[in-house]
Amino acid sequence: EADIYQTPRYLVIGTGKKITLECSQTMGHDKMYWYQQDPGMELHLIHYSYGVNSTEKGDLSSESTVSRIRTEHFPLTLESARPSHTSQYLCASSDLGMGYTFGSGTRLTVV
Amino acid sequence: QKEVEQDPGPLSVPEGAIVSLNCTYSNSAFQYFMWYRQYSRKGPELLMYTYSSGNKEDGRFTAQVDKSSKYISLFIRDSQPSDSATYLCAIGRGSTLGRLYFGRGTQLTVWP
Repeated sequence: EADIYQTPRYLVIGTGKKITLECSQTMGHDKMYWYQQDPGMELHLIHYSYGVNSTEKGDLSSESTVSRIRTEHFPLTLESARPSHTSQYLCASSDLGMGYTFGSGTRLTVV
Repeated sequence: QKEVEQDPGPLSVPEGAIVSLNCTYSNSAFQYFMWYRQYSRKGPELLMYTYSSGNKEDGRFTAQVDKSSKYISLFIRDSQPSDSATYLCAIGRGSTLGRLYFGRGTQLTVWP
């Protein structure tokens, strides 16, 4: 079944830790995105990729990095987590001219 | 100026009501208009997709685009408690679409 998977679903971690949020899709989509979502606020684009070895920063200033070594995989890394990083992180993918397919999200809490 | 504006609500209606959700956008270059539905603790799912102007109907859902007013709407007929969710509008442009701009989402509750 074609889908997009995010792990972990929930993560509580201490300040200063390095974390990687995983995102994988089985649809062969070239375009992938990371969004940050806080309650009652717009989805903010953090990073996006239009293909392997192609990544760009989005609108939201972020201390995170991404990589796109394989089409299906688009992990997001925070080198040093801070309480201000507490949020929900959504990964999405899309095909030519079509809407996004979202994962279920990772809810991150930094204590 | 934000690319798209959406009233966050919340909106609370009785079962069977007609619901109207709306967004406005700022740039006439946008050509793709979508509505996503997001249940609690889930990712958004695509509900309606419209290219350019006009209406699109899918069961109890109707999406309308008025490009002259830069106004998009989602109507839900005969609303059900299972429609209770947050509804996000999204807009995009370009020949291959690419990134989308999302509204804040409107939280809808349909009570029995």
